[in-house]
Amino acid sequence: DGGITQSPKYLFRKEGQNVTLSCEQNLNHDAMYWYRQDPGQGLRLIYYSQIVNDFQKGDIAEGYSVSREKKESFPLTVTSAQKNPTAFYLCASSSAGTGGKTYEQYFGPGTRLTVT
Amino acid sequence: DAKTTQPTSMDCAEGRAANLPCNHSTISGNEYVYWYRQIHSQGPQYIIHGLKNNETNEMASLIITEDRKSSTLILPHATLRDTAVYYCIVSSSNTGKLIFGQGTTLQVKP
Repeated sequence: DGGITQSPKYLFRKEGQNVTLSCEQNLNHDAMYWYRQDPGQGLRLIYYSQIVNDFQKGDIAEGYSVSREKKESFPLTVTSAQKNPTAFYLCASSSAGTGGKTYEQYFGPGTRLTVT
Repeated sequence: DAKTTQPTSMDCAEGRAANLPCNHSTISGNEYVYWYRQIHSQGPQYIIHGLKNNETNEMASLIITEDRKSSTLILPHATLRDTAVYYCIVSSSNTGKLIFGQGTTLQVKP
């Protein structure tokens, strides 16, 4: 089955530790995205990548880092510099949207990170 | 990217049509209207999108006004499983970026 996988579903870390969240897709999509969601709020874009080995900061990139070494993978590292890392993290992917095509994004199930 | 305005919450009786409005008065010519929904504690699900014309798929219909300043998502026969937060988003095809607001919480009641 094609889709996006995120693991683990729940993650617990101590304050001061870096943690990496996994996102894998087998949809052959060029573009991938990371969002953060806080309780009762909409999603906010952290980073996105439209092609392998390239990525751009979203609206709330401070305290996060990403890599895009493979088309199917886009891991997100939450560093100790992120002041309030506890949140629901969602990964998405889409076609590149070239030639006027649109960017329907397909989302993974999310990882709920708790830092204490 | 243009911003959207949606009601905070709506109720709908099971089996009836749910009509969810969205205002996007500052939409520009190359921006599409997208609708997504998010069931509690899950990732958002793409529903439908459009540019100028009305659109219909197996999930819903999208009605866009002629001036493109507003749109309505229609779920023709709402079920309890349609209870979710519905997000209306406008986005340029050049960037692919989606800006999520707080959406409309739709409660389908028996």
